[in-house]
Amino acid sequence: DAGVIQSPRHEVTEMGQEVTLRCKPISGHNSLFWYRQTMMRGLELLIYFNNNVPIDDSGMPEDRFSAKMPNASFSTLKIQPSEPRDSAVYFCASSPGSSSGANVLTFGAGSRLTVL
Amino acid sequence: AQSVTQLDSQVPVFEEAPVELRCNYSSSVSVYLFWYVQYPNQGLQLLLKYLSGSTLVESINGFEAEFNKSQTSFHLRKPSVHISDTAEYFCAVSAGNRDDKIIFGKGTRLHILP
Repeated sequence: DAGVIQSPRHEVTEMGQEVTLRCKPISGHNSLFWYRQTMMRGLELLIYFNNNVPIDDSGMPEDRFSAKMPNASFSTLKIQPSEPRDSAVYFCASSPGSSSGANVLTFGAGSRLTVL
Repeated sequence: AQSVTQLDSQVPVFEEAPVELRCNYSSSVSVYLFWYVQYPNQGLQLLLKYLSGSTLVESINGFEAEFNKSQTSFHLRKPSVHISDTAEYFCAVSAGNRDDKIIFGKGTRLHILP
């Protein structure tokens, strides 16, 4: 397996533009997580899905953020409109799910977002 | 709800010296505990985990961590560090009741001095 695939790796956009980040989890993994990493806040859990269903989105900062998982092999995180304070590295991670024991996450390489 | 505290944001240590990275957690239920490592410009990778059983767990590259329930700690140690250990280390916790949510500490950056 190629691991967790994220795209784009880097995105530079202007304030107000829509940003869509994409993630392909490891085949067979039932859980998918979106995290945001900044110097100030560290690694924050934004939302996670279990079997394509959003379970906990309490970490999503505002209504400008939305995430979807239309099928087991694809998820998106959308920011509309984007703001400079959204600049961060966004990580997607997947896991087999806690039903098979403790969740052990496999992370993608991240998408570095810069909003000017 | 679980939380994780990593008291040290940066730890400088000389090459071949021992190191300890501290991690404390809070949880109202039994927990699973993890250490992840992030090398520059990469995603996080699992270093080691405690699920149950022996409180001392080891990684393949010489790190070890000990689960201490009374002190709610899971400190990471290595007796002799190498320059290749330069990275950021994250402690993480999830509830042991099959909750999928995993919470990370803010990370500790390990600087290896020549």
